[in-house]
Amino acid sequence: KAGVTQTPRYLIKTRGQQVTLSCSPISGHRSVSWYQQTPGQGLQFLFEYFSETQRNKGNFPGRFSGRQFSNSRSEMNVSTLELGDSALYLCASSSFLTGANTEAFFGQGTRLTVV
Amino acid sequence: QKEVEQDPGPLSVPEGAIVSLNCTYSNSAFQYFMWYRQYSRKGPELLMYTYSSGNKEDGRFTAQVDKSSKYISLFIRDSQPSDSATYLCAMKAGVNQFYFGTGTSLTVIP
Repeated sequence: KAGVTQTPRYLIKTRGQQVTLSCSPISGHRSVSWYQQTPGQGLQFLFEYFSETQRNKGNFPGRFSGRQFSNSRSEMNVSTLELGDSALYLCASSSFLTGANTEAFFGQGTRLTVV
Repeated sequence: QKEVEQDPGPLSVPEGAIVSLNCTYSNSAFQYFMWYRQYSRKGPELLMYTYSSGNKEDGRFTAQVDKSSKYISLFIRDSQPSDSATYLCAMKAGVNQFYFGTGTSLTVIP
């Protein structure tokens, strides 16, 4: 069974630009969550999508947005990049359903560097 | 106050030692508790998953949850150099939003 796939693995962008990251969850998983990981803050929750709908959102500015497609693949977009957006962006998939619960499985991440 | 607190370490132990990693939390609604291992430049890998209080054992790893104290632990027996990684605790309530500790860096010295 294929794991969570994130592309690209590495990105270098300039301040002010925008970036789109992609995540393909484990087959059959309908929940996709995004996290930002930095050395000082650890893993911080960005948002979660389930069946193309954003169900939960963390405390990040509106420059961070996402979407999920009918095949459960998800994209995350960051506009007007700032130096502080440099981080490892992780995608996690789970088969979470209402009334049930499972663990999350992570991809390898996309390392974004803003210069 | 952060939802989840974890001592960042670093922790350095000799091979074969018993390692104890801990997290405390403040949200009494948390019911699901996980430990992840993250190697450098990799995504977190799920190690243990427990629901509510109690112990769970998997090989050399034992996870403990004490909801009354809001305290969770991961024990690694007979630690190996391959266990050298950052260990993250994670937890959540009913919704699918995980709260992570900042991670503890562990080095097992041969």
